[in-house]
Amino acid sequence: GENVEQHPSTLSVQEGDSAVIKCTYSDSASNYFPWYKQELGKGPQLIIDIRSNVGEKKDQRIAVTLNKTAKHFSLHITETQPEDSAVYFCAAKNNNAGNMLTFGGGTRLMVKP
Amino acid sequence: DAGVIQSPRHEVTEMGQEVTLRCKPISGHNSLFWYRQTMMRGLELLIYFNNNVPIDDSGMPEDRFSAKMPNASFSTLKIQPSEPRDSAVYFCASRLAGGDTQYFGPGTRLTVL
Repeated sequence: GENVEQHPSTLSVQEGDSAVIKCTYSDSASNYFPWYKQELGKGPQLIIDIRSNVGEKKDQRIAVTLNKTAKHFSLHITETQPEDSAVYFCAAKNNNAGNMLTFGGGTRLMVKP
Repeated sequence: DAGVIQSPRHEVTEMGQEVTLRCKPISGHNSLFWYRQTMMRGLELLIYFNNNVPIDDSGMPEDRFSAKMPNASFSTLKIQPSEPRDSAVYFCASRLAGGDTQYFGPGTRLTVL
């Protein structure tokens, strides 16, 4: 089955700096890659996603890139703010494998004011 | 839109007791997922329903765990008997037919003493 690795597990940045979180996946048939943000005491919330027919997608300060050949995708947050502090999860979905998401282990991002 | 609703939000019980967690998916969504989140194992998919039918329960850890979806607007996850190692946050998520995005509820924090 699919295996998703996420790095780093913790990331501390200064307010205003950029943050990058990286994920790799194992199944070349995976075609949908969402990123979720989980704040303390809440459920994961989708912040951005990308499909395998696109190499990059941007939404204000957040962008995601996908390299299908290398089987890795990354989340980029620019001009970080304290409210960006949370746990971020990447995931991959393969329509041929039960249409389920396989999640990475999560990255705890801390933005220091 | 009320989002995915879970109850209770917190549950504290003693080992050996039966625990029932409840979920109401977003209206119109036809897929429902139960996840367990722990520090050690991250987000694990327990079971997945499509049109109220269990599709994949390979993630259910033991026979002590059971899940039902009697109708499109309600699902339960039951643990009987509960054990301390079942302590975790349990999330329910739902998805629209043909869609990719899973929408998570706020979770139930279960503590088994």
